[in-house]
Amino acid sequence: GESVGLHLPTLSVQEGDNSIINCAYSNSASDYFIWYKQESGKGPQFIIDIRSNMDKRQGQRVTVLLNKTVKHLSLQIAATQPGDSAVYFCAEKVGGGADGLTFGKGTHLIIQP
Amino acid sequence: GAGVSQSPSNKVTEKGKDVELRCDPISGHTALYWYRQRLGQGLEFLIYFQGNSAPDKSGLPSDRFSAERTGESVSTLTIQRTQQEDSAVYLCASSPDRNQPQHFGDGTRLSIL
Repeated sequence: GESVGLHLPTLSVQEGDNSIINCAYSNSASDYFIWYKQESGKGPQFIIDIRSNMDKRQGQRVTVLLNKTVKHLSLQIAATQPGDSAVYFCAEKVGGGADGLTFGKGTHLIIQP
Repeated sequence: GAGVSQSPSNKVTEKGKDVELRCDPISGHTALYWYRQRLGQGLEFLIYFQGNSAPDKSGLPSDRFSAERTGESVSTLTIQRTQQEDSAVYLCASSPDRNQPQHFGDGTRLSIL
């Protein structure tokens, strides 16, 4: 039978456009959120993080937005480049809970030339 | 600079055998984590070490899984009597402490025949 896990959500954008990757997190007690980029055959690479006392944080070409009311996290990538093609994961950590991160299933970002 | 190093990068073994996976964290990082990533999925937390404190084993899926860490250095993840469902990429991460971003190695791809 078909495995849902093998069919990641896919976002296809033109090179040079901005990308927005969305993530719904599960636990209202989560107080730390982080985005990772994973290329094929590699481990996840840290992009940016945000704590629950903030609603926006900017890095180089990336911005993370946190909406605690609706438990939503987004990653914005400005001026997308071919090297941005990868699977992007959001992850959350519950304050006072287990020490590991809880990861989403990931979004595959494809850059069209 | 040296990142998280994992060995072996690939391991193929027969069902029922024991396997041992190794992780060298970034020097000076007191926190060390193990995760499992099945094909096309996000990461699942397995175990967390912080200095000389008792490890957080809340993510270990069965008593066939165990891990050790000596001080703030190398860690080994052992899987006894491997089963086909253990086939996955096993990823190790380290961070300066539990409140800082985790940095990942490239993982060990484990295949159980």
